[in-house]
Amino acid sequence: EAQVTQNPRYLITVTGKKLTVTCSQNMNHEYMSWYRQDPGLGLRQIYYSMNVEVTDKGDVPEGYKVSRKEKRNFPLILESPSPNQTSLYFCASSDRYSGRNEQFFGPGTRLTVL
Amino acid sequence: AQSVTQLDSHVSVSEGTPVLLRCNYSSSYSPSLFWYVQHPNKGLQLLLKYTSAATLVKGINGFEAEFKKSETSFHLTKPSAHMSDAAEYFCVGGSSASKIIFGSGTRLSIRP
Repeated sequence: EAQVTQNPRYLITVTGKKLTVTCSQNMNHEYMSWYRQDPGLGLRQIYYSMNVEVTDKGDVPEGYKVSRKEKRNFPLILESPSPNQTSLYFCASSDRYSGRNEQFFGPGTRLTVL
Repeated sequence: AQSVTQLDSHVSVSEGTPVLLRCNYSSSYSPSLFWYVQHPNKGLQLLLKYTSAATLVKGINGFEAEFKKSETSFHLTKPSAHMSDAAEYFCVGGSSASKIIFGSGTRLSIRP
């Protein structure tokens, strides 16, 4: 089954404790992206990657890191989480970078930073 | 500059009545436009997509949307609401080389 998976689905942590949210897709897509969703703000892009070893900042990259060492994986790293990073996070992929292409979304990761 | 505006943050309709979720876009070029649906505790799922082949686009679950260039609109409609349609809906715009822009979302509630 074609899908985007994220782990963990739920995470409660404390300020400053490094964490990683994994994202994996099995569709051989070139383009992957991370979003955060906050009430009333829709989805805002954090980082995106057009291909292996190619990453770039989205609209709200501060406090986040990503890597793209393999085509299928695109982990999101919070080196020192803060309470304002409490949010619902989505990973997405599409077959190439284009605003005309459908994105496939993971199920989401709900993060709470105390 | 490109933008996508969802005109209603919350829409409530009775089961069996029509649904209208409004989306306006601003773009200096012909955009691609999408509607995604997000059910509670779920990811986003594509409902339908406009890419200039036809102005009236039919999607899943009986939804459709019409691209009106003169009004810069891409409103989502359904003739008869079902309880299972209760969800958050996002209008999204993009073009071949541009960023993907999400609207702020519209929460659809269905009254029995």
